Amino acid sequence: ILNVEQSPQSLHVQEGDSTNFTCSFPSSNFYALHWYRWETAKSPEALFVMTLNGDEKKKGRISATLNTKEGYSYLYIKGSQPEDSATYLCAPRLFRAGTYKYIFGTGTRLKVLA
Amino acid sequence: EADIYQTPRYLVIGTGKKITLECSQTMGHDKMYWYQQDPGMELHLIHYSYGVNSTEKGDLSSESTVSRIRTEHFPLTLESARPSHTSQYLCASSDVGSQFFGPGTRLTVL
Repeated sequence: ILNVEQSPQSLHVQEGDSTNFTCSFPSSNFYALHWYRWETAKSPEALFVMTLNGDEKKKGRISATLNTKEGYSYLYIKGSQPEDSATYLCAPRLFRAGTYKYIFGTGTRLKVLA
Repeated sequence: EADIYQTPRYLVIGTGKKITLECSQTMGHDKMYWYQQDPGMELHLIHYSYGVNSTEKGDLSSESTVSRIRTEHFPLTLESARPSHTSQYLCASSDVGSQFFGPGTRLTVL
């Protein structure tokens, strides 16, 4: 994988459903993996940063895992609520061209229906 | 709440005009960034700075220029706007962790 890939591109779920998204990234020259939530008309907001293989982070109903050896991260939302509707961006920080850079995926657009 | 500001939020301008998009942060971060995003596409880094008087071009080629004369201020300038510059421009800053983003400027060049 040369770029960052997020799947699915978009998702509609019913309130109360649990859901998960995938972020795939190049595993070489890896430094850290960031997840952001971007609500419409607002700024992207940092959710998690993970650095070590096997890391798991949790914030309320949202959790994330990291596999640096195979280059993927999962984001889970348990019991989705309408306020979870947003675009979820992952951004690995990779060493490229002499410096560490954030490389963003296109995001997963989540819509939670009441 | 992140203290990073961008003005204007929306700008509609004619071809050939010179424009400056403002970005300021009050967190004392050394690192600042400009991203460009077209609808449905990734955020692409167009400029970054690791401190005063330090600016570098990002991965996506851009005709814009930036300056970093003060830590808190990182303006982006287009000398002659064209319709191909129509996009959303996001400014961000960071210390050692995650980036903090401004609300963005949505630019439309007619």
